Amino acid sequence: GEEVAQTPKHLVRGEGQKAKLYCAPIKGHSYVFWYQQVLKNEFKFLISFQNENVFDETGMPKERFSAKCLPNSPCSLEIQATKLEDSAVYFCASSQSEGVTSGREPVPFTDTQYFGPGTRLTVL
Amino acid sequence: AQSVAQPEDQVNVAEGNPLTVKCTYSVSGNPYLFWYVQYPNRGLQFLLKYITGDNLVKGSYGFEAEFNKSQTSFHLKKPSALVSDSALYFCAVRDGNSGNTPLVFGKGTRLSVIA
Repeated sequence: GEEVAQTPKHLVRGEGQKAKLYCAPIKGHSYVFWYQQVLKNEFKFLISFQNENVFDETGMPKERFSAKCLPNSPCSLEIQATKLEDSAVYFCASSQSEGVTSGREPVPFTDTQYFGPGTRLTVL
Repeated sequence: AQSVAQPEDQVNVAEGNPLTVKCTYSVSGNPYLFWYVQYPNRGLQFLLKYITGDNLVKGSYGFEAEFNKSQTSFHLKKPSALVSDSALYFCAVRDGNSGNTPLVFGKGTRLSVIA
């Protein structure tokens, strides 16, 4: 599609329950990024994918968070055993670049990240 | 490491007046700079970006931003504000020398345009 789609819009979970969020990137985009927007509007990077491969997971809390991007399926972010502090809006973004090399110099990734509408997770 | 500072939590401007939303950045490599806008209960909408070339970048909805390397700034501007511009504005940076890295965002500036 022409826009990044995220489902559900809102998700309410009791502490300790599982939460699963979905993201469909813009058609033709190779990269998917997940960000968490917490209180006071701060954005925290979680994880990125290049197609179905994890590209960068430096922001991912390893214990309870996992994510996948499988072929022909929406990407997903799953939180096992949610905690109160997981309450946030989770945004997915996609971008197009493949970073094709040209001669000796790699072509820089200049493409814009386009964001979905977000999923608001409330943990009670 | 990269960082972004948006020194104003809130900017108020009268409709029809020019507006400026400030942003300064720190990046070890080559700065790629972005502005996004967030309306209530909506995602981030891309406004404009600076990668290379002219320091003055024009974007959506009449917004523009000026890249100033010596001051490490990328302030967002609009000559004549509209009430509908009222929203939360985020400046973001990535290091262009480091591959397809994630964006680092400022804390946002809430713009209120008063009729």
